[in-house]
Amino acid sequence: DSGVTQTPKHLITATGQRVTLRCSPRSGDLSVYWYQQSLDQGLQFLIQYYNGEERAKGNILERFSAQQFPDLHSELNLSSLELGDSALYFCASSVAPSGDSAQYFGPGTRLLVL
Amino acid sequence: QQQVKQSPQSLIVQKGGISIINCAYENTAFDYFPWYQQFPGKGPALLIAIRPDVSEKKEGRFTISFNKSAKQFSLHIMDSQPGDSATYFCAASSPQGGSEKLVFGKGTKLTVNP
Repeated sequence: DSGVTQTPKHLITATGQRVTLRCSPRSGDLSVYWYQQSLDQGLQFLIQYYNGEERAKGNILERFSAQQFPDLHSELNLSSLELGDSALYFCASSVAPSGDSAQYFGPGTRLLVL
Repeated sequence: QQQVKQSPQSLIVQKGGISIINCAYENTAFDYFPWYQQFPGKGPALLIAIRPDVSEKKEGRFTISFNKSAKQFSLHIMDSQPGDSATYFCAASSPQGGSEKLVFGKGTKLTVNP
């Protein structure tokens, strides 16, 4: 158990809908990362927050947005969902924001868009 | 553009054998190279990491070999066990270069037969 929690574990929704994925980092970790994992694209970095501020951005679509709250939990919002958004979404956390700070991954949320 | 190329895609090894997974990169700014292990239904977990100032790092049965001139690094699993059966991802980042995001290879599915 990494100490990172993600909810929900599974999510089934329809195209055009909007969903929110939630992540609670390990105790003491200030940085939160979001990744998308699909069979064809592998693990893709989406976005990083550190202590409430956006720190780095990756291949995140404009339909997706995220935020980190004062209690350090983070939410990833996916809107106007398409079939291709079906994937595993992972949250990871680390103590420091730098790229060489060990990242601890949560169990993921499996999203299925029908 | 795939910045970290990983091979092979899948690997079958007999118990007690050596598993070798290779990665190559193009971006010479990368200066941190971790390996992650992922079991089915779980998030990736940091296994071992190396920086380019050393050519080899060993932790138990796991060894990273790093060749800076060839821009390649590899994971060796000695005395492979059925419990090592998982998907392994190499990754790279350039924290000193100001890029904090991890770029992942596409993964290698390792099966260790008893």
